[in-house]
Amino acid sequence: EPEVTQTPSHQVTQMGQEVILRCVPISNHLYFYWYRQILGQKVEFLVSFYNNEISEKSEIFDDQFSVERPDGSNFTLKIRSTKLEDSAMYFCASSDPPDRISYEQYFGPGTRLTVT
Amino acid sequence: EDKVVQSPLSLVVHEGDTVTLNCSYEVTNFRSLLWYKQEKKAPTFLFMLTSSGIEKKSGRLSSILDKKELFSILNITATQTGDSAVYLCAVFSGSARQLTFGSGTQLTVLP
Repeated sequence: EPEVTQTPSHQVTQMGQEVILRCVPISNHLYFYWYRQILGQKVEFLVSFYNNEISEKSEIFDDQFSVERPDGSNFTLKIRSTKLEDSAMYFCASSDPPDRISYEQYFGPGTRLTVT
Repeated sequence: EDKVVQSPLSLVVHEGDTVTLNCSYEVTNFRSLLWYKQEKKAPTFLFMLTSSGIEKKSGRLSSILDKKELFSILNITATQTGDSAVYLCAVFSGSARQLTFGSGTQLTVLP
């Protein structure tokens, strides 16, 4: 069964450093997403991406964040200058095969980002 | 602001028990409600509900949506220790494709 994959599973970085989190969405899906979950808190939407551009973004997704689909399979989230409060689990998700509209989002296993 | 509230926050039962998890929502222009199971890491998709009153079923799990009263329930019958997880409810609203999540219900099934 196709699944969303993410690398690395755990990333430790120092405050102020740039990090890139990587995701490979389900291959025929058209929409891609990033969510984050701070320890003990709710899963929060960051951004959605469709047709090579940002479709929607939340207030959390400020200028420090960017997303990219550098090739036909990868989808990345970059945080330019990490802050302590960026420490969280970051989930990638994808949805919508090309033959039908579907709101079912499938999540990857997450990258735990620890900023020290 | 869209709001999704789940109850109870946590639940401890014994194997074989039946549990009911609740999710209520206040959103503008509701589109669909999704249930996920989160074990150690990724939320795993369980159900998507769009129409009121139609039960979705998968094995021992079932779910139903009441769009008039703005809530959904997730039932698990004959619980097993493998059902132990956080169960998340999330809602799509408006034209956005972003999910708004509840805080989850932590279910613990004891042998």
